[in-house]
Amino acid sequence: QSVLTQPPSVSAAPGQKVTISCSGSSSNIGNNYVSWYQQLPGTAPKLLIYDNNKRPSGIPDRFSGSKSGTSATLGITGLQTGDEADYYCGTWDSSLSSWVFGGGTKLTVL
Amino acid sequence: EVQLVESGGGLVQPGRSLRLSCAASGFTFDDYAMHWVRQAPGKGLEWVSGISWNSGSIGYADSVKGRFTISRDNAKNSLYLQMNSLRAEDTALYYCAKGDSSAIDAPIDYWGQGTLVTVSS
Repeated sequence: QSVLTQPPSVSAAPGQKVTISCSGSSSNIGNNYVSWYQQLPGTAPKLLIYDNNKRPSGIPDRFSGSKSGTSATLGITGLQTGDEADYYCGTWDSSLSSWVFGGGTKLTVL
Repeated sequence: EVQLVESGGGLVQPGRSLRLSCAASGFTFDDYAMHWVRQAPGKGLEWVSGISWNSGSIGYADSVKGRFTISRDNAKNSLYLQMNSLRAEDTALYYCAKGDSSAIDAPIDYWGQGTLVTVSS
């Protein structure tokens, strides 16, 4: 059981928008920055969003992040088949003194 | 370009030990925290351990505390994970990962390609 809760899967058609939620608590999301990672099949995770809503250079603005209270959301617009991947949220947990990740969400672009 | 290259994985019997290494390049290694994150086959990401830039702050997941030891050699731009008393549930792809600042609670921004550890008799 992961400390952070994500839906196991989401799906949408090409060109559409999808959101992925990540729910935690005051010891993690509530008081720390959230990052989001994309893991394409057979590859290592890649940073998509950090500090709740910032994009590293090279990440298109189709990807966005937000946080409210103890939940965070990843948004992806203009879906492409190449976006099919597993997406993970992650943050520091101040009570556990450890990094924690969500269980991952598999995105299918129909 | 940041590069993280893991090595040392393999097949090991339960109860035995293994030492993983990570060779880092493309950034000033001793400015940044480093981590080990693992992924069991078909499963999600699990943080294993992290170490601050000067080894002054170290953390472990409860699942490995007392069995695994993280260390770094800034002169060699290298990160290590000594794994003792290995169990079947430690079977996973182990990623070396870089933090985006010196503290272990900073975001993880780069990942290596991983080294596979299989614990089985």
